[in-house]
Amino acid sequence: NAGVTQTPKFQVLKTGQSMTLQCAQDMNHNSMYWYRQDPGMGLRLIYYSASEGTTDKGEVPNGYNVSRLNKREFSLRLESAAPSQTSVYFCASSEAGGFFQPQHFGDGTRLSIL
Amino acid sequence: GNSVTQMEGPVTLSEEAFLTINCTYTATGYPSLFWYVQYPGEGLQLLLKATKADDKGSNKGFEATYRKETTSFHLEKGSVQVSDSAVYFCALSPPSGGYQKVTFGTGTKLQVIP
Repeated sequence: NAGVTQTPKFQVLKTGQSMTLQCAQDMNHNSMYWYRQDPGMGLRLIYYSASEGTTDKGEVPNGYNVSRLNKREFSLRLESAAPSQTSVYFCASSEAGGFFQPQHFGDGTRLSIL
Repeated sequence: GNSVTQMEGPVTLSEEAFLTINCTYTATGYPSLFWYVQYPGEGLQLLLKATKADDKGSNKGFEATYRKETTSFHLEKGSVQVSDSAVYFCALSPPSGGYQKVTFGTGTKLQVIP
């Protein structure tokens, strides 16, 4: 029972390089999210996908793109990495609809941009 | 817009001490309220929740009561253990139907010493 799985766990990039962070969930959830976590700033939503086939911008979408490949998978792409994108990235998922939506998180990807 | 304010940490307590972590929120209507816990190197895990005024969420000895009159959701535990050392996040989800964006506080680090 894996829950939310993120790969890779760690990555170091040079400025200008591109990469894709992968996320998969096995709970049959409709909604998926990408957050970044920076010291003193809590979690900030980058993009989300309310359901398969849809994606929307969150608070801090600039410099990122996403793909909801299917119901299970939601990837985050950095086209041209910048040092300001050094952060810990978390993927999460939740059921859709209703008043209560607890989110289930992966263990994070620690990304450093040099 | 919605917001969550948590007390700044770090909070350092001796084992078996009483814990309070303050959380207040700003939102229209009746949001759902959550506490998440993040252990070192891991993602966030839902600790407890409350979905309406005067509800008390509880789990693993932690409790929090949804206080509409003071817009608060303070986290308490009667006797902390070293294993409770983690970062605690207060969060809210607005009451509107359909997709709901969760707003997180900045987190409060708890360190429990033997």
